[in-house]
Amino acid sequence: AQSVSQHNHHVILSEAASLELGCNYSYGGTVNLFWYVQYPGQHLQLLLKYFSGDPLVKGIKGFEAEFIKSKFSFNLRKPSVQWSDTAEYFCAVSVYGSSNTGKLIFGQGTTLQVKP
Amino acid sequence: DTAVSQTPKYLVTQMGNDKSIKCEQNLGHDTMYWYKQDSKKFLKIMFSYNNKELIINETVPNRFSPKSPDKAHLNLHINSLELGDSAVYFCASSRNPRTDMNTEAFFGQGTRLTVV
Repeated sequence: AQSVSQHNHHVILSEAASLELGCNYSYGGTVNLFWYVQYPGQHLQLLLKYFSGDPLVKGIKGFEAEFIKSKFSFNLRKPSVQWSDTAEYFCAVSVYGSSNTGKLIFGQGTTLQVKP
Repeated sequence: DTAVSQTPKYLVTQMGNDKSIKCEQNLGHDTMYWYKQDSKKFLKIMFSYNNKELIINETVPNRFSPKSPDKAHLNLHINSLELGDSAVYFCASSRNPRTDMNTEAFFGQGTRLTVV
């Protein structure tokens, strides 16, 4: 069965620190990769996505992620976090070629707390 | 304009009651979804509809019944509510992933259901 694993459950950083959140997935076929952010009490918003092409993708608010196919990874990075980045971050994968085409499989989420 | 809107935002009800959550999208998408976020913030798909046709039906109790009167609406009806149904339910929509691999899901603001 397909699965997504996020390495860090709770990350605490000071403002201006660099961020890297790990994400690995298990599926050998074609996948699309996403990072979503959920600010406290709000809905999921798309940070960035990878469909094909350049494995380094840039998203909103200074976030970027790198797809490493050989490692089945899609890690999220930001050079300098801000207090406003405090939120829950979800890595997600959608798989193709099955009856579940389009289904998003989420990791368990990472809570990021940025201290001012 | 809200792209994916759910009502109500909050729902508190007693065990055994029947309740519905409504979802509407104005993005012109063919495919709509229901996801459940549990108390540990884990997100899992429940159902997916494409142009009123059920295409994904995860292992969900029969008490949950989705209804799609047209492709812009996907409602969720829950019978005989149980304490374990307490969660946040998110509606989402996307272009048809079976014909457009490079599509992303847009989420509603969520409905926080509390069963007492």
